[in-house]
Amino acid sequence: DQQVKQNSPSLSVQEGRISILNCDYTNSMFDYFLWYKKYPAEGPTFLISISSIKDKNEDGRFTVFLNKSAKHLSLHIVPSQPGDSAVYFCAASAQRSGGSNYKLTFGKGTLLTVNP
Amino acid sequence: KAGVTQTPRYLIKTRGQQVTLSCSPISGHRSVSWYQQTPGQGLQFLFEYFSETQRNKGNFPGRFSGRQFSNSRSEMNVSTLELGDSALYLCASRGDSGNTIYFGEGSWLTVV
Repeated sequence: DQQVKQNSPSLSVQEGRISILNCDYTNSMFDYFLWYKKYPAEGPTFLISISSIKDKNEDGRFTVFLNKSAKHLSLHIVPSQPGDSAVYFCAASAQRSGGSNYKLTFGKGTLLTVNP
Repeated sequence: KAGVTQTPRYLIKTRGQQVTLSCSPISGHRSVSWYQQTPGQGLQFLFEYFSETQRNKGNFPGRFSGRQFSNSRSEMNVSTLELGDSALYLCASRGDSGNTIYFGEGSWLTVV
């Protein structure tokens, strides 16, 4: 059972436009969410995170929105740049569930291509 | 500040052999976790160590094991390698007061 789902395997946008990557989760115990960017043969690079007590977190061109009632989060990249082309992973953890659980459950990823 | 360092970056092993991968966390980080990435299963949690104790374990067979040393460096071992163990193995570390997990570059294991 996939607890974190990224239903779009790929997304293509024009440079300068907005990229919106979506992620859905099923486990209501998840209370901390992260987005990672990954190039082939490299480790994931942390981008931005959000705690379940917030509904929005912004860092430069990256904004993450969390809709707890819908169990949905999204990553907005504005403006998109060709260097943003990579696979983006959504991850979730249940950190307040007891036992200091920092295990990350990942989605399958979305390949973002930003065209010049 | 150096990031998470993993060695070796690439290795090829034969079925039935065993392999040990090494990880040095970010300085000051005591939590180290390991993940496996394969094309079919994506990124999956293997285990987490904190202060030399395994605190959490994923759904992998007992052939996958790990340990952490007093300096927080960690190793993971896979015994009796199978072709399906070919994957990118990622180590990650977290600071005591932080929620964010930072990954290393990974170790590419190919089993032939």
